[in-house]
Amino acid sequence: DSGVTQTPKHLITATGQRVTLRCSPRSGDLSVYWYQQSLDQGLQFLIQYYNGEERAKGNILERFSAQQFPDLHSELNLSSLELGDSALYFCASSVRDQEDSTDTQYFGPGTRLTVL
Amino acid sequence: AQKITQTQPGMFVQEKEAVTLDCTYDTSDQSYGLFWYKQPSSGEMIFLIYQGSYDEQNATEGRYSLNFQKARKSANLVISASQLGDSAMYFCATLYSGAGSYQLTFGKGTKLSVIP
Repeated sequence: DSGVTQTPKHLITATGQRVTLRCSPRSGDLSVYWYQQSLDQGLQFLIQYYNGEERAKGNILERFSAQQFPDLHSELNLSSLELGDSALYFCASSVRDQEDSTDTQYFGPGTRLTVL
Repeated sequence: AQKITQTQPGMFVQEKEAVTLDCTYDTSDQSYGLFWYKQPSSGEMIFLIYQGSYDEQNATEGRYSLNFQKARKSANLVISASQLGDSAMYFCATLYSGAGSYQLTFGKGTKLSVIP
């Protein structure tokens, strides 16, 4: 158990809908990262938050947004869902702001999103 | 941009034997981190081992060791005394701290199957 929690574990929804994925980082970790894992794209970084502020953006679609709350939990919002958004979405956390390359990211169990 | 190459889509190993999973990376950064993660069929991403670019000694964590050859830009994972529970996908990743962007870049993974 990495200490990172994600809910829900599975989510099935229809095209055009909006969903919210939730993540709680390990105790003491200030950084939260979101990743998407799909069969065709592999594991891709979406976005990072550090202590409530957005720090870095990767291949995140404009239909997707995220935030980190004062209690450090984070939510990833996916809207106008398309079939291609079906994937495993991971949240990871680390202690620091990743300013050095030694900071290990610990992953949650993931949320499997299926868009029908 | 960082690039990670894992040339072995699938590997088989006999139980109790050692196996090496290959990983090469491409970076122009002086300081970077190299990570290996395990993804069992259940889906979670499990951190295995870390190697810093300035570490002179190869990292070891129990049955896992990282064969780091900086000049060749390779960071192979060695699993000794394979167990049935080692059957999983293994991902090599690098963390780089480009300006304003701190993220893990993953390879496509190697599927390891341990044969009894």
